Amino acid sequence: GENVEQHPSTLSVQEGDSAVIKCTYSDSASNYFPWYKQELGKGPQLIIDIRSNVGEKKDQRIAVTLNKTAKHFSLHITETQPEDSAVYFCAARSSLNEKLTFGTGTRLTIIP
Amino acid sequence: KAGVTQTPRYLIKTRGQQVTLSCSPISGHRSVSWYQQTPGQGLQFLFEYFSETQRNKGNFPGRFSGRQFSNSRSEMNVSTLELGDSALYLCASSLAGGRGSPLHFGNGTRLTVT
Repeated sequence: GENVEQHPSTLSVQEGDSAVIKCTYSDSASNYFPWYKQELGKGPQLIIDIRSNVGEKKDQRIAVTLNKTAKHFSLHITETQPEDSAVYFCAARSSLNEKLTFGTGTRLTIIP
Repeated sequence: KAGVTQTPRYLIKTRGQQVTLSCSPISGHRSVSWYQQTPGQGLQFLFEYFSETQRNKGNFPGRFSGRQFSNSRSEMNVSTLELGDSALYLCASSLAGGRGSPLHFGNGTRLTVT
């Protein structure tokens, strides 16, 4: 089945700087890659997603890039703010079984 | 539009008991998926229901079961609880399940087994 690896597990960034989280996947049939943000006491919230026919997608301060050949995708957050502090999860969905497999999460801390 | 609603938010049960968790999806969403979240294993897929039928299943023992009603509401049941079942159980709904429909999660039910 699909295996998604996520790095780093923890990340501390000075407010205003950029943060990058990277994920790799194993199943070449995966075609949908969402990113979720989970704050304390809440469920994961979808922040951005990308499909395999697109290489990059941007939404204000958040961007995701996808390299299908290398089977990796990344989340980029620019001009970080204290409210960006949370746990971020990447995920990959296989077109074969439609299951969504999550990475192990990155705890992002923004230092004021 | 109301989000995904899960009840109860917290549950404490004793080993050997059974428990039922409830999930109301976003209005119009026909697919409901369940996930178990633990610090050690992360987010693990339990099962997905679409139009009252189980469409997908993860690698969990038969003690974990679910169902979906005609109004798309879903319940998850765990029988003969074990200490290792302590976790945050998350429900997520989507318009049509896979096929590129984004998942929207509820805030979960925190189950503690003592």
